[in-house]
Amino acid sequence: DVVMTQSPLSLPVTLGQPASISCRSSQSLVHSDGYTYLHWFQQRPGQSPRRLIYKVSNRDSGVPDRFSGSGSGTDFTLKISRVEADDVGIYYCMQSTHWPPWTFGQGTKVEIK
Amino acid sequence: QVQLVQSGAEVKKPGASVKVSCQASGYTFIDYYMHWVRQVPGQGLEWMGWINPNSGDTNHAQKFQGRVTMTRDTSIGTAHMELSGLRFDDTAVYYCARDDSLDHWGQGTLVTVSS
Repeated sequence: DVVMTQSPLSLPVTLGQPASISCRSSQSLVHSDGYTYLHWFQQRPGQSPRRLIYKVSNRDSGVPDRFSGSGSGTDFTLKISRVEADDVGIYYCMQSTHWPPWTFGQGTKVEIK
Repeated sequence: QVQLVQSGAEVKKPGASVKVSCQASGYTFIDYYMHWVRQVPGQGLEWMGWINPNSGDTNHAQKFQGRVTMTRDTSIGTAHMELSGLRFDDTAVYYCARDDSLDHWGQGTLVTVSS
């Protein structure tokens, strides 16, 4: 199984400041079709997860442009350019290149300082 | 708009089975795989498996081998996930999610296993 490792696991951030979450996979996530199936999800307190970014860097409809995804191979990053109160929650990366199973990172808890 | 509406919370005894439903609307049900993901309270996300609503084919995580059954009813656009031989550590919120990249999620169904 592909192991997804996120860091940090806890991220206290000052409002208006940037935040960055790292996600590393135990093997390359480049599929034989050329795509990289690495996605990011946000889970606000008490809510279902919501997809933010798909295939590394594509923002979902309605996701603010302060969220961006980047990376390649085994190293990926989710960045929030200016953290807002609404961004509090747990962020997960997930790979669907090598399956089964689909695998998630442990989650990174973003909170306001 | 795409909506996935799940069945209500359940309380089950150890050894029993539970069946969770997920009714889809706002898109063509058979065009997208449906996945199931669970979350033990206070913990992360765990992929359980998928069903192809068109063919009925399924695939699931080895961990749930022999205990999970995924089915669908295309006439009402609903996917079902049944977990048998429930244990205390199966207490979790169970989610359905559409497509291989999990682009839309249900609201979750809390299953509590308690004696």
